[in-house]
Amino acid sequence: GQNIDQPTEMTATEGAIVQINCTYQTSGFNGLFWYQQHAGEAPTFLSYNVLDGLEEKGRFSSFLSRSKGYSYLLLKELQMKDSASYLCAVRGISSGSARQLTFGSGTQLTVLP
Amino acid sequence: DAGVIQSPRHEVTEMGQEVTLRCKPISGHNSLFWYRQTMMRGLELLIYFNNNVPIDDSGMPEDRFSAKMPNASFSTLKIQPSEPRDSAVYFCASSSTPDGTQYFGPGTRLTVL
Repeated sequence: GQNIDQPTEMTATEGAIVQINCTYQTSGFNGLFWYQQHAGEAPTFLSYNVLDGLEEKGRFSSFLSRSKGYSYLLLKELQMKDSASYLCAVRGISSGSARQLTFGSGTQLTVLP
Repeated sequence: DAGVIQSPRHEVTEMGQEVTLRCKPISGHNSLFWYRQTMMRGLELLIYFNNNVPIDDSGMPEDRFSAKMPNASFSTLKIQPSEPRDSAVYFCASSSTPDGTQYFGPGTRLTVL
């Protein structure tokens, strides 16, 4: 099985930097995804990590340590529109549904002016 | 390019009624996923198809739920009979391969009274 933990809520100020952590325990690992979900909307893909290290994409970066079962999403130069829920999702390596994504409960980020 | 299309966007029905949710995946995507999202349980995978074939339906809550994919451009999720505890947002997602990035539709918000 898979267990994913991330903080429920975070608050940060416009223009600042925020780091959202995700820890996971899985029977197998084949990649970690971060999705952004605004209230009342669909999750949208942000980043994908399968190897250790940092992936940078504009204002957003994602880091993975497979040995520690740990990832973080780093958001720089925060904007009001970044207020959303951020979902960490892990994919296993077994066949069938275990190969598919298991989502964390999401971290609700509020950006204050 | 059109993304994943779902209909209806909102559905309100009474307990015991049949509900059919529809999804059109992104053209060329061979994998399709149905998810359910609630406050209590987060985002859960119900079933996924690859090349129109159901691969794993272990996430389907019970026999009241059924899903079909008669062709590469259309899938349905049916609940019969519906119950108040089925109230949730149902998302459809598609990807080019089973391990590819999943792109979500706008969701159907279902309310069962």
